[in-house]
Amino acid sequence: AQRVTQPEKLLSVFKGAPVELKCNYSYSGSPELFWYVQYSRQRLQLLLRHISRESIKGFTADLNKGETSFHLKKPFAQEEDSAMYYCALPPYQTGANNLFFGTGTRLTVIP
Amino acid sequence: SAVISQKPSRDICQRGTSLTIQCQVDSQVTMMFWYRQQPGQSLTLIATANQGSEATYESGFVIDKFPISRPNLTFSTLTVSNMSPEDSSIYLCSARESGELFFGEGSRLTVL
Repeated sequence: AQRVTQPEKLLSVFKGAPVELKCNYSYSGSPELFWYVQYSRQRLQLLLRHISRESIKGFTADLNKGETSFHLKKPFAQEEDSAMYYCALPPYQTGANNLFFGTGTRLTVIP
Repeated sequence: SAVISQKPSRDICQRGTSLTIQCQVDSQVTMMFWYRQQPGQSLTLIATANQGSEATYESGFVIDKFPISRPNLTFSTLTVSNMSPEDSSIYLCSARESGELFFGEGSRLTVL
């Protein structure tokens, strides 16, 4: 069965420091992975998806099939990056359109 | 992008009562979903709301407890029936459009 692991519940970094939010997955086949973000008092929203290979708000994530990881990175954290971050992937079964979410990491950027 | 409105945004309910949450999407979408987010935990899929047919429930969730309606391509309701304190949670409506999941702001239910 699909599984997404985010080992850190809480992560604090200083403004301007690099940040990496970890995500490991177990999946049979080639997964499509996502990062969702929830800022304070806002709804959950898509940050980026690996197939698009975009950099959103300075964040990037590379799919490493060897390590089964999809870590989210940003070279210089900003205060506005403080939020809850969720890694997600579709369920194992084909044809499903929903997502399975990790437990999330709360990032706090210290001024 | 789809904009999703949910109501109520929050409510305090008595044990044994039922509450219906409404979800409105500003565009027609094929796929709508209901998630639950219990305190300190991640999102858990309750069911897929299918237009014109019965919802598809995930393991651990049943229609009697969480009846769902989907009368058209822009609207769905989730009812939490015979509530207990364990049902205190945030309930999220979601819709899939152009390969992306969009979410409502959630309905925070507290059951006393």
